[in-house]
Amino acid sequence: EIVLTQSPGTLSLSPGERATLSCRASQSVSSSYLAWYHQKPGQAPRLLIYGASSRATGIPDRFSGSGSGTDFTLTISRLEPEDFAVYYCQHYGSSLWTFGQGTKVEIK
Amino acid sequence: QVQLVQSGAEVKKPGASVKVSCKASGYTFTSYYIHWVRQAPGQGLEWMGIINPSTGVTSYAQTLQGRVTMTRDTSTSTVYMDLSSLRSEDTAVYYCARDPRLGPFDYWGQGTLVTVSS
Repeated sequence: EIVLTQSPGTLSLSPGERATLSCRASQSVSSSYLAWYHQKPGQAPRLLIYGASSRATGIPDRFSGSGSGTDFTLTISRLEPEDFAVYYCQHYGSSLWTFGQGTKVEIK
Repeated sequence: QVQLVQSGAEVKKPGASVKVSCKASGYTFTSYYIHWVRQAPGQGLEWMGIINPSTGVTSYAQTLQGRVTMTRDTSTSTVYMDLSSLRSEDTAVYYCARDPRLGPFDYWGQGTLVTVSS
């Protein structure tokens, strides 16, 4: 089973700053099957990035994904007020689907 | 537009069963897989299992094997998740999510809170 470990647990930043979130896999995964979601309180998760670097429909270009092998990164170039949320990475497309434990991006 | 609409909140006693529904609309029901994901209070996302609405074939998380059953009704475009032998640790929000054939989860239901309490 692939385990995804996200860091940091919490990121305290101000609007306008750059956010860099990490997702490390316990074994090499195909970048075709790595996604990122964000979740605001009381809401369902929303797909941001799939295939490690492709933005989902309607996602602004301040969100970008990168990485391969075991190390993946989600970058938010300039934080907007609506970006403060919890972010999850996910491995999909196999017989087992797993999520990282999440990174909370909070207002400093 | 694509929608996944889930049934309402439930309160159950330990040892009981719960059945949560997820009604799909706005797309061809049998062309996309449906997953169930749960989230305990203040915790992360836990994948529970997948059903292929076209064939009814399922696959479940090892930790829930024997307690979870996923079914579908193609006449109403509805998927069901049945969880038995409930315990307090099953208290969570349960989500259904659409999967374009082993892709990411592109649409999610609104979530159903299941509370297990004596």
